[in-house]
Amino acid sequence: GENVEQHPSTLSVQEGDSAVIKCTYSDSASNYFPWYKQELGKGPQLIIDIRSNVGEKKDQRIAVTLNKTAKHFSLHITETQPEDSAVYFCAASEGTGFQKLVFGTGTRLLVSP
Amino acid sequence: GAVVSQHPSRVICKSGTSVKIECRSLDFQATTMFWYRQFPKQSLMLMATSNEGSKATYEQGVEKDKFLINHASLTLSTLTVTSAHPEDSSFYICSARDPGAPGTEAFFGQGTRLTVV
Repeated sequence: GENVEQHPSTLSVQEGDSAVIKCTYSDSASNYFPWYKQELGKGPQLIIDIRSNVGEKKDQRIAVTLNKTAKHFSLHITETQPEDSAVYFCAASEGTGFQKLVFGTGTRLLVSP
Repeated sequence: GAVVSQHPSRVICKSGTSVKIECRSLDFQATTMFWYRQFPKQSLMLMATSNEGSKATYEQGVEKDKFLINHASLTLSTLTVTSAHPEDSSFYICSARDPGAPGTEAFFGQGTRLTVV
């Protein structure tokens, strides 16, 4: 089955800096890669996603890149703000379906003012 | 976007009792819902796939007789933790995808914090 690894486990940056979180996956058939933000005591919230037929996607301060050959994808947050502080999870679809997701281990991002 | 609602958000129960958690899709019909469990400072682990009108599919290592799933309608799936023990204390989260939406986004409920004392 799919295995997703995520690094780093914690990331501390100063407000205004960029933050990068990286994930690798094992199943070459995976074709959907979402990123979720989870605040304490709440469910995950989708912040950006990318399909395997696209190499990069951007939404304001957030971007995701995908390298299918190397089986890794990354989340980039620019101009970080204190409210970006949360736990971020990457995920990959298991197989070619879009529904069943395997999650990474999470990255705790702390943005200091 | 679509909304998935869970109830209750928090529940405390005594060991040996059963607890039911509801997951509703508020503005779409979900033929499939997913139940996850998340221990503190850990990732989401898929427990089972809930299929409307049929039996749930459980992940390896998840006891189907302990975690009963019922998906009786297109907008409601329930997870019942039977004979709960302190080790079942966790954050339970459901998700669903709107099959009628053009995207592939999975919407998550707000989660249920279960504490077994």
